[in-house]
Amino acid sequence: AQKITQTQPGMFVQEKEAVTLDCTYDTSDQSYGLFWYKQPSSGEMIFLIYQGSYDEQNATEGRYSLNFQKARKSANLVISASQLGDSAMYFCAMRENYGGSQGNLIFGKGTKLSVKP
Amino acid sequence: DAGVTQSPTHLIKTRGQQVTLRCSPKSGHDTVSWYQQALGQGPQFIFQYYEEEERQRGNFPDRFSGHQFPNYSSELNVNALLLGDSALYLCASSLALAAGRYGYTFGSGTRLTVV
Repeated sequence: AQKITQTQPGMFVQEKEAVTLDCTYDTSDQSYGLFWYKQPSSGEMIFLIYQGSYDEQNATEGRYSLNFQKARKSANLVISASQLGDSAMYFCAMRENYGGSQGNLIFGKGTKLSVKP
Repeated sequence: DAGVTQSPTHLIKTRGQQVTLRCSPKSGHDTVSWYQQALGQGPQFIFQYYEEEERQRGNFPDRFSGHQFPNYSSELNVNALLLGDSALYLCASSLALAAGRYGYTFGSGTRLTVV
């Protein structure tokens, strides 16, 4: 069965420093997608970054980058130059395939990131 | 361009009652998925609707049912509420044939408390 594991329940980082949030996944599919979402206290899931299983380059979106190591089945999120507004829950998720179109997302338990001034 | 709209934002119900949650997808999206997020957990997939039919379903009992309307909006119904149904219910919309990162837009959720 497909599974996402986030082993860090909580992380602290100093403002302006970089932080890495860990994510490992388990799947027997060859084609899959990996996502990171940010969830502030308001509840909305905010898309941060996406990595396709066949993408050769690590994904980057502004201050966010994804360290994709396919052989290790890991997809760690790196946030550079942390800001106070980055304090939130962060979820790693994997998309199952469903007949070539959008399958559902499988989420990890999340990591609570706290940025200290 | 409106994103995903969910109503109500908060709801308190009594055990055994029934509840209906509503979701309007992002403009241009035709697929709606529902997720349950218990406190301190990641969201869990309930089901997905496309072309007014349930296309996929997660591991949830039949007490959870849904509907999609011709305008792509959707409802989630939960019957015979249990205390364990207390959670944040998230709606996510997408375009069925979209690939890659442009898949899912989430609403802010409905927080259901069962007492």
